[in-house]
Amino acid sequence: QKEVEQDPGPLSVPEGAIVSLNCTYSNSAFQYFMWYRQYSRKGPELLMYTYSSGNKEDGRFTAQVDKSSKYISLFIRDSQPSDSATYLCAMRGNQAGTALIFGKGTTLSVSS
Amino acid sequence: GAGVSQSPSNKVTEKGKDVELRCDPISGHTALYWYRQSLGQGLEFLIYFQGNSAPDKSGLPSDRFSAERTGGSVSTLTIQRTQQEDSAVYLCASSPRQGLGGYTFGSGTRLTVV
Repeated sequence: QKEVEQDPGPLSVPEGAIVSLNCTYSNSAFQYFMWYRQYSRKGPELLMYTYSSGNKEDGRFTAQVDKSSKYISLFIRDSQPSDSATYLCAMRGNQAGTALIFGKGTTLSVSS
Repeated sequence: GAGVSQSPSNKVTEKGKDVELRCDPISGHTALYWYRQSLGQGLEFLIYFQGNSAPDKSGLPSDRFSAERTGGSVSTLTIQRTQQEDSAVYLCASSPRQGLGGYTFGSGTRLTVV
């Protein structure tokens, strides 16, 4: 079992839809959870960052962490064609100096 | 600089040749990471530098891969005797502290071994 599992999609939705992206993980030591967005031929850019369990909202984006289920989600409300990209979840433990572990990424396409 | 700069952006090399990939992190960022992104494989951790500490090389796939970071700033990833399976996008990232918080990535070097 990989440490971080993420459905690669592709996921296609119409403009204005609510999108749900998810990752599961196996390492209970993970404490920091992030979502990155990657456009074609670009490097990943940090979208959301959460520590431990709970929700975090930033504009149209909401990140949720459920440590009891080892499950994290990213919700995108009122999706736009500009949201079309690959979304990668990433996580790490508390120990300083450990690198982020990434999911494989989910490719999202929002049609107008 | 304003962001993480990587060069070259694209590199085509013949099997068996050595290549050097360069990363210029954000000024003041003490942590620097190299990842490899292959089609359908996600981001694979290669190596991590933090200040003047010994690097974490646990992700390097073979002894053909090495990296150095001079003066706590610019880093070079070297792949010796390249193989076709080395073809991938090599991404560099930096962060202001020991990986706490998120990383800022460069746009990557797309390496093709023919």
